[in-house]
Amino acid sequence: DAGITQSPRHKVTETGTPVTLRCHQTENHRYMYWYRQDPGHGLRLIHYSYGVKDTDKGEVSDGYSVSRSKTEDFLLTLESATSSQTSVYFCAIRSGNTEAFFGQGTRLTVV
Amino acid sequence: AQKITQTQPGMFVQEKEAVTLDCTYDTSDQSYGLFWYKQPSSGEMIFLIYQGSYDEQNATEGRYSLNFQKARKSANLVISASQLGDSAMYFCAMREVRNFNKFYFGSGTKLNVKP
Repeated sequence: DAGITQSPRHKVTETGTPVTLRCHQTENHRYMYWYRQDPGHGLRLIHYSYGVKDTDKGEVSDGYSVSRSKTEDFLLTLESATSSQTSVYFCAIRSGNTEAFFGQGTRLTVV
Repeated sequence: AQKITQTQPGMFVQEKEAVTLDCTYDTSDQSYGLFWYKQPSSGEMIFLIYQGSYDEQNATEGRYSLNFQKARKSANLVISASQLGDSAMYFCAMREVRNFNKFYFGSGTKLNVKP
């Protein structure tokens, strides 16, 4: 257990509303990642962070923003949720060179 | 171009037999890591095994081994003595060290173990 907690675990929101997902870690890891998982696509990288206030875009960053003001928290914001953003969102951290651990996932439904 | 390719959307294996899940990757980075994850129906991502690009020996972790063929850019997962609990989605992933350590994932292989 790498001490990663995602919140909320489930959320239903309406199209056009902003949504923020939180990833919290307790072990001071530098690298954190947000992925979305959709059938047939595996996990696709949305944004990542390599330190406090150091973030960059991944493969599917349009419509998403992130912030990392503290080492332990990495926030993912959907600025104006759309139905295409209905997905399962995973946060991950890199632990050393040989391992990476994932949170439990957040199931987001945009109606 | 896709960084990770898993060509087997679904596979069946008889309990107690071995099974190989295919993974090929694409990178120009000399330093990278290869990972396999298991995702059971409950949804969590479980780390299984890691292979570094400079490791000369194939990685092994219990019943899991990684068949690393660097020149062919393949990193196949071998599960020996399959168990019913091995039924799950399996994802291959790569981390590029010089690319901010970003992880790239394949689309996954769904393994079904038959009794």
